[in-house]
Amino acid sequence: DTGVSQDPRHKITKRGQNVTFRCDPISEHNRLYWYRQTLGQGPEFLTYFQNEAQLEKSRLLSDRFSAERPKGSFSTLEIQRTEQGDSAMYLCASSQQNTEAFFGQGTRLTVV
Amino acid sequence: AQSVTQLGSHVSVSEGALVLLRCNYSSSVPPYLFWYVQYPNQGLQLLLKYTSAATLVKGINGFEAEFKKSETSFHLTKPSAHMSDAAEYFCAVSDPNTGNQFYFGTGTSLTVIP
Repeated sequence: DTGVSQDPRHKITKRGQNVTFRCDPISEHNRLYWYRQTLGQGPEFLTYFQNEAQLEKSRLLSDRFSAERPKGSFSTLEIQRTEQGDSAMYLCASSQQNTEAFFGQGTRLTVV
Repeated sequence: AQSVTQLGSHVSVSEGALVLLRCNYSSSVPPYLFWYVQYPNQGLQLLLKYTSAATLVKGINGFEAEFKKSETSFHLTKPSAHMSDAAEYFCAVSDPNTGNQFYFGTGTSLTVIP
């Protein structure tokens, strides 16, 4: 087990472009979370899946953001029409039931 | 609803001195509590967790934390700071009944002075 894997680690994109990030959780974990972290802040919750079902979304997740977990394994987070304010570290985590969350290394997005 | 407050966004200690990072929580139900450490441009690594068993929890790298219900606190301590402890530390809380979200504090940046 190699832990939670995120790809890419870094992404630079021009304002207005679409970006997609991928997260591969720990294989036996049925819960998957996306968080966003800006400089000097703690992680902010974006969304949560249990298996393939998206059970909760934050108000931070505007209609430009969409997340999927089609087969209850890996997940993707897409941001459409990126804005400079979207620049942040996007963290994925997984857990088994109500235990601790294990985080990936994150994807750092820079919108120029 | 759950939330955590970390008092002191920056803490500096001398190498070999006691480390004390403060966390107070708010929860409508008995919570699960966690401490994570983050190094620059890295994800979060779990240091320790409280899940309603022993109130004094030992974690990795010599850290420990004590759950005090009467004070709604879960402060992180280490008897002797090491240079490698310099990092950002986050306290987090979750609802054990749902586990649908982890609520994080704003973090405490620990500097270790040689």
